[in-house]
Amino acid sequence: GENVEQHPSTLSVQEGDSAVIKCTYSDSASNYFPWYKQELGKGPQLIIDIRSNVGEKKDQRIAVTLNKTAKHFSLHITETQPEDSAVYFCAARKANTGNQFYFGTGTSLTVIP
Amino acid sequence: DADVTQTPRNRITKTGKRIMLECSQTKGHDRMYWYRQDPGLGLRLIYYSFDVKDINKGEISDGYSVSRQAQAKFSLSLESAIPNQTALYFCATSDLIGYTFGSGTRLTVV
Repeated sequence: GENVEQHPSTLSVQEGDSAVIKCTYSDSASNYFPWYKQELGKGPQLIIDIRSNVGEKKDQRIAVTLNKTAKHFSLHITETQPEDSAVYFCAARKANTGNQFYFGTGTSLTVIP
Repeated sequence: DADVTQTPRNRITKTGKRIMLECSQTKGHDRMYWYRQDPGLGLRLIYYSFDVKDINKGEISDGYSVSRQAQAKFSLSLESAIPNQTALYFCATSDLIGYTFGSGTRLTVV
């Protein structure tokens, strides 16, 4: 299978600072890497994703980078705001596995006003 | 209405009882999943179904069973609930792009 590791498990930042969450994966056949945000009392929601043919993708204050050689990818949130406080999950999907995702263990981000 | 609806939202049950968690979706996706979330362990796959006639075990299927009643409905059953099945359960659907999760069912087994 695939093994996805995520760090840190908890992260606190001051409002306006940047936050970085890192994930590694084990299977070089993985080719799609989404990030999900889970707010309290809700299910995870897709916030950004990246495919293996791209090194970086940005959407306003959120960016994701991928290093295929090292098999790691990261989520970057700039100018953090209190509403960014949530649990974030990374995931990896292998090609030809019927769309089964392997999730990291989650990062609880707290943005301190 | 939500794309993926889970019922109940919260449930407390006793050890040994049978319980069913229900999931329905309006996305029109063939693929449906049941995940369990525990603190520090992330999301772990219990069962998944790629169409009405297809059921597959995930990494933690022991103690659980599922039924795919229709394209839009996928239920999870605990035949004889035990306390270590206390967790937050999520149903999800997917197309080739990504997952849509329900809001979760918080199950407590006492």
